[in-house]
Amino acid sequence: GQQLNQSPQSMFIQEGEDVSMNCTSSSIFNTWLWYKQDPGEGPVLLIALYKAGELTSNGRLTAQFGITRKDSFLNISASIPSDVGIYFCAGRSWGKLQFGAGTQVVVTP
Amino acid sequence: NAGVTQTPKFQVLKTGQSMTLQCAQDMNHEYMSWYRQDPGMGLRLIHYSVGAGITDQGEVPNGYNVSRSTTEDFPLRLLSAAPSQTSVYFCASSWGRGRETEAFFGQGTRLTVV
Repeated sequence: GQQLNQSPQSMFIQEGEDVSMNCTSSSIFNTWLWYKQDPGEGPVLLIALYKAGELTSNGRLTAQFGITRKDSFLNISASIPSDVGIYFCAGRSWGKLQFGAGTQVVVTP
Repeated sequence: NAGVTQTPKFQVLKTGQSMTLQCAQDMNHEYMSWYRQDPGMGLRLIHYSVGAGITDQGEVPNGYNVSRSTTEDFPLRLLSAAPSQTSVYFCASSWGRGRETEAFFGQGTRLTVV
């Protein structure tokens, strides 16, 4: 099956710092999605990307759909304590969604 | 709007027992899906449905059955529970039709098989 590699696995950052994470795949996706999951909750959709090269922002979040359609990145600017959680990328092709293993973000004051 | 509602939130089963995880959405979404989440593995697709009466297998379908008799409901059945099915299960729904995204997830069902 397709392999979706998400990195880093975890990151410890100070409040106010920028955060960057990415996902790469051996196969092409038609859609890239980024989610955040808080403990005990389901994932919440942050950003959806539908076109290669697309750059989309949602507040302090910015994500891009790579031009090769095999990668995507998510940036969080000026992190705040509530940014803590697990961030997942997901790629869709042929109607099925595949998730990365997640990036655990810990924000320290 | 309740969004996506999953029941139960927690369940303990004995090996060999069967049960049904319920999922309901009130947004008239066409697309619904079931995932399982295991530590360090992200979410893996079990089964999905693009509309009432239509279901298909995902990445890890073995040991699970689904049906979609109405737009609102998409139950997941465990036929004979095994310890390997201990996991957190999430149901998701979306509008489908060209802009398919798992836009809404339920809060999850935490299942332990002993």
